[in-house]
Amino acid sequence: GENVEQHPSTLSVQEGDSAVIKCTYSDSASNYFPWYKQELGKRPQLIIDIRSNVGEKKDQRIAVTLNKTAKHFSLHITETQPEDSAVYFCAASIGGYSTLTFGKGTMLLVSP
Amino acid sequence: DAGVIQSPRHEVTEMGQEVTLRCKPISGHNSLFWYRQTMMRGLELLIYFNNNVPIDDSGMPEDRFSAKMPNASFSTLKIQPSEPRDSAVYFCASREVGTDTQYFGPGTRLTVL
Repeated sequence: GENVEQHPSTLSVQEGDSAVIKCTYSDSASNYFPWYKQELGKRPQLIIDIRSNVGEKKDQRIAVTLNKTAKHFSLHITETQPEDSAVYFCAASIGGYSTLTFGKGTMLLVSP
Repeated sequence: DAGVIQSPRHEVTEMGQEVTLRCKPISGHNSLFWYRQTMMRGLELLIYFNNNVPIDDSGMPEDRFSAKMPNASFSTLKIQPSEPRDSAVYFCASREVGTDTQYFGPGTRLTVL
């Protein structure tokens, strides 16, 4: 089955800096890659996703890039703010009726 | 839309007791997922229903765990008997037919003493 590796497990940055979280996947058939943000005590919420027919997607301060050949994808957050502090999860799936395989998560701490 | 609804939000029970967690998916969503989240193991998929039919229950830890979806608007996850190692946050998520996005409920924090 699919295996998703995520790193780093923790990331501390200063407010205004950029943050990058990286994930690799094992199944070359995977074609859907969402990123979820989970604040302390809350539910995971989708913040951005990308499909394998595109290499990059942006939404304001966040962007996701995908390298299908290398089987890795990354989340980029620019101009970080304290409210970006949370655990971020990457995931992969074949799409359609398949399930998501999640990475272990990255705890991002943005210091004022 | 109310989103995915789970109850109870918190459950504290003693080892050996039966625990039932409940989930109401978003109206119109035909896929439902039960996850367990712990610090050690992260987010684990327990079972997945499509059109009320269990499709993949390979993540269910053992026979003490069972899940049902009697209709499109309700699902239960039961643990009998419960053990301290079952302590975790249990999330339910739903997905609309033809889409990839899963929407999570608020979760149930289970503590087994």
